[in-house]
Amino acid sequence: QQQVKQSPQSLIVQKGGISIINCAYENTAFDYFPWYQQFPGKGPALLIAIRPDVSEKKEGRFTISFNKSAKQFSLHIMDSQPGDSATYFCAASRSNQFYFGTGTSLTVIP
Amino acid sequence: KAGVTQTPRYLIKTRGQQVTLSCSPISGHRSVSWYQQTPGQGLQFLFEYFSETQRNKGNFPGRFSGRQFSNSRSEMNVSTLELGDSALYLCASGPTGTNQDTQYFGPGTRLTVL
Repeated sequence: QQQVKQSPQSLIVQKGGISIINCAYENTAFDYFPWYQQFPGKGPALLIAIRPDVSEKKEGRFTISFNKSAKQFSLHIMDSQPGDSATYFCAASRSNQFYFGTGTSLTVIP
Repeated sequence: KAGVTQTPRYLIKTRGQQVTLSCSPISGHRSVSWYQQTPGQGLQFLFEYFSETQRNKGNFPGRFSGRQFSNSRSEMNVSTLELGDSALYLCASGPTGTNQDTQYFGPGTRLTVL
């Protein structure tokens, strides 16, 4: 059973546009929600993370929106750039055990 | 500081064989987690070790096992390989092993089972 559901599976965005990736979870015991970025041939790297006591966190062009009641969270990439083209994974964790979404392949067209 | 290193980077085995993968965490990190990454399933948690003890275990058969040494280096073993074990195996280390630790991933070992 997939603990964290991620959508869409793939996304194509024009340069300068906004990329939005959504995730949903069921287990209310999760208390840490990171997003990872993975380039081909590399391991995932932490992009930004949020705790459930805040509804939004922004770091540069990347923003996480968190809706605790709906058990959903999303990643917004503002002013998307070709260099943002990568696979993005959301995750949820409790007790240092992480559950990942299935990933979103983002392509930013120049 | 050197990142997480994994060896070997690529491995080809045949069904029924066994394999051992190695992971060296970032210096000072005591928590090591292993994941299996496949195109259809994404990253699936295998197990986590902290101070040589397995602390968490995912939903994988007993053919998958691991251990951690006193220097925090970890090995993962898969016995009686099946075709479905073909995947990228990722190791991640964390500094404190507490919840909300940042997971630092290695580049992975690409295992192909023929």
